[in-house]
Amino acid sequence: KQEVTQIPAALSVPEGENLVLNCSFTDSAIYNLQWFRQDPGKGLTSLLLIQSSQREQTSGRLNASLDKSSGRSTLYIAASQPGDSATYLCAVRREGFQKLVFGTGTRLLVSP
Amino acid sequence: NAGVMQNPRHLVRRRGQEARLRCSPMKGHSHVYWYRQLPEEGLKFMVYLQKENIIDESGMPKERFSAEFPKEGPSILRIQQVVRGDSAAYFCASSLTVTSGRDDTQYFGPGTRLTVL
Repeated sequence: KQEVTQIPAALSVPEGENLVLNCSFTDSAIYNLQWFRQDPGKGLTSLLLIQSSQREQTSGRLNASLDKSSGRSTLYIAASQPGDSATYLCAVRREGFQKLVFGTGTRLLVSP
Repeated sequence: NAGVMQNPRHLVRRRGQEARLRCSPMKGHSHVYWYRQLPEEGLKFMVYLQKENIIDESGMPKERFSAEFPKEGPSILRIQQVVRGDSAAYFCASSLTVTSGRDDTQYFGPGTRLTVL
C-alpha cells in the first residue's frame, strides 16, 4: 500500500527566504508525482507534475525534483513571498492506477 | 476554457437526508475523479469514472455512497441517509487522458463542503 509523508507538517519563514518542502513515498513504482497548493477553504491548484522518467520540473520560482529510487521528492521555493502562504500537497500516482495518493501536507506561512 | 466546476459549493443536510454533489469536468475531459477531505485529514480517493463507466471505486464506502458520470451532463456523487461523519469537503478532478504523451494532469474543482447537522 502506497503511503505518502510530508515533512515538515508546518513551516513559518520570513519573506525572501528560499525553502524546501519534502515528500516521501513508500512504493517506488510510481507513474508520476504532482505538487499542489491549497488555500484555506479553497480547491487545489496544480503546481508541477513530474513523470517517473523525469528528474525535475521548474515553473517560475518553483522547482520540484524526483528521486524515484529513494522514494523522495522536494519542492523548492525561491525568494518566498507572503502570497506563497498555503498548504502544499504532494500526490503520487502509482503505475497501473489513475488515483492519486496524497500526502498529509505542509502548511506554509510566509511573514512580511 | 473554464475549469472544473462543482456545485453547490456549500451544502447543509440533516441526518438521514440525501446529498447530491455535482461536478462538471473541464471541456474535453472524459475522466473524472472524486476525493474526500475529512476535517484535519488528507485527501482520500473515492472513485474514478469515465463516461458512463465506473473504473475504480476502491475508495468508496460500501454503503450509502454512489457515483455516476452519464453520457450527457455532470458527474454526480450521491450520499444517501447522511450521517455526521460524512461532513467533509468533496473534491472533483478531471483529466484529458490517463496516459503520458498528452496531458494527464488532474485538475481539481473548488470542492463542495458538506455539513451534516
